[in-house]
Amino acid sequence: QKEVEQNSGPLSVPEGAIASLNCTYSDRGSQSFFWYRQYSGKSPELIMFIYSNGDKEDGRFTAQLNKASQYVSLLIRDSQPSDSATYLCAVMEYGNKLVFGAGTILRVKS
Amino acid sequence: DADVTQTPRNRITKTGKRIMLECSQTKGHDRMYWYRQDPGLGLRLIYYSFDVKDINKGEISDGYSVSRQAQAKFSLSLESAIPNQTALYFCAVWDGNSGANVLTFGAGSRLTVL
Repeated sequence: QKEVEQNSGPLSVPEGAIASLNCTYSDRGSQSFFWYRQYSGKSPELIMFIYSNGDKEDGRFTAQLNKASQYVSLLIRDSQPSDSATYLCAVMEYGNKLVFGAGTILRVKS
Repeated sequence: DADVTQTPRNRITKTGKRIMLECSQTKGHDRMYWYRQDPGLGLRLIYYSFDVKDINKGEISDGYSVSRQAQAKFSLSLESAIPNQTALYFCAVWDGNSGANVLTFGAGSRLTVL
């Protein structure tokens, strides 16, 4: 069973700043990594996924992988109050099963 | 969008009662999952199914059972509910079509066991 660890937060950033969210994973052989956003009372929704072969940028979001240190980060540029949510990091196991971290609460203050 | 529907959305029941949570999807995806979410613990996998005849236990299957009645339907049952099964339950499907590679969740079923 892979393990995924996240700082529960809350992480507070001012509007317009860069929010940096991190998670660490236990299995050095992990290949696929996912970031989900979950608003209070709602279901998780995928922000982006990356494979072990590289980082990825999508609009204001950038996911980065540090394989040597076994952590994945999500950067949110120009943070907006609407980005306030819980961010879940996940690692994929066999069978497209995702193992999730407990999530980091992000609060963007206007 | 895999269009995953969960029923009921909210349920309050008593200890010892049998409860069924239902999940259906409209896109014909093979792989379906049941997760449970508790505050501070994130999402934990209960059961998953690759097709109608392939059902597998997840991390926390004790006290739960599932049924894949058809490709589109995957139900989770609590045989005799207990208070520590109070949680938010999510059904999800894996959408690997066209490189989407996304686990799509239903809206969730909030279960309270008194």
